Amino acid sequence: GAVVSQHPSWVICKSGTSVKIECRSLDFQATTMFWYRQFPKQSLMLMATSNEGSKATYEQGVEKDKFLINHASLTLSTLTVTSAHPEDSSFYICSARDYATTSGGGNEQFFGPGTRLTVL
Amino acid sequence: QKEVEQNSGPLSVPEGAIASLNCTYSDRGSQSFFWYRQYSGKSPELIMFIYSNGDKEDGRFTAQLNKASQYVSLLIRDSQPSDSATYLCAVTEGYQKVTFGTGTKLQVIP
Repeated sequence: GAVVSQHPSWVICKSGTSVKIECRSLDFQATTMFWYRQFPKQSLMLMATSNEGSKATYEQGVEKDKFLINHASLTLSTLTVTSAHPEDSSFYICSARDYATTSGGGNEQFFGPGTRLTVL
Repeated sequence: QKEVEQNSGPLSVPEGAIASLNCTYSDRGSQSFFWYRQYSGKSPELIMFIYSNGDKEDGRFTAQLNKASQYVSLLIRDSQPSDSATYLCAVTEGYQKVTFGTGTKLQVIP
């Protein structure tokens, strides 16, 4: 159980275009999803926390108008990178919590496979 | 600011040996502790979680937690080349966001 999918797995786009990344929890309902970014040889950087039915909470330094997050249902959150530029090229990973499980107190996060974005 | 510290490594161990990965955290209120494994170019996968002092074993993996000293460790017995990856320590208090360490790169030498 606790499977999270992401789509697309990779995307190449031109500078100035917008890219939407989907994150889905396949076999559980996720009231909270998280979006991370990871540059090569660096650790995960939390971008925002996405709560179903409410506005996302962005980490300091992350532009909310550039990285639009929508969490319209308990199984789907989307991240849209607007007007993408080469410096936005990165590995974007979502994760979700399965609060129904009691194994880890409901705190463990399950990660999607990630989306590799390349902006030309 | 909550911090989770890990030695970046690389930690090199011969095949069949025990690999010991360590992590310290700054927030005494932390309640849940996780170890994730991340292969190069892939997303993290959960290996183990622990939230009580002491040891927790799962196959070749043992997580150890010492809240008084604020450290958590992961032991990998009979290390295999396929264990070569970056291991991320993660800590959280209640349902707050999880704080990740920067990871320790493990290399298992055949």
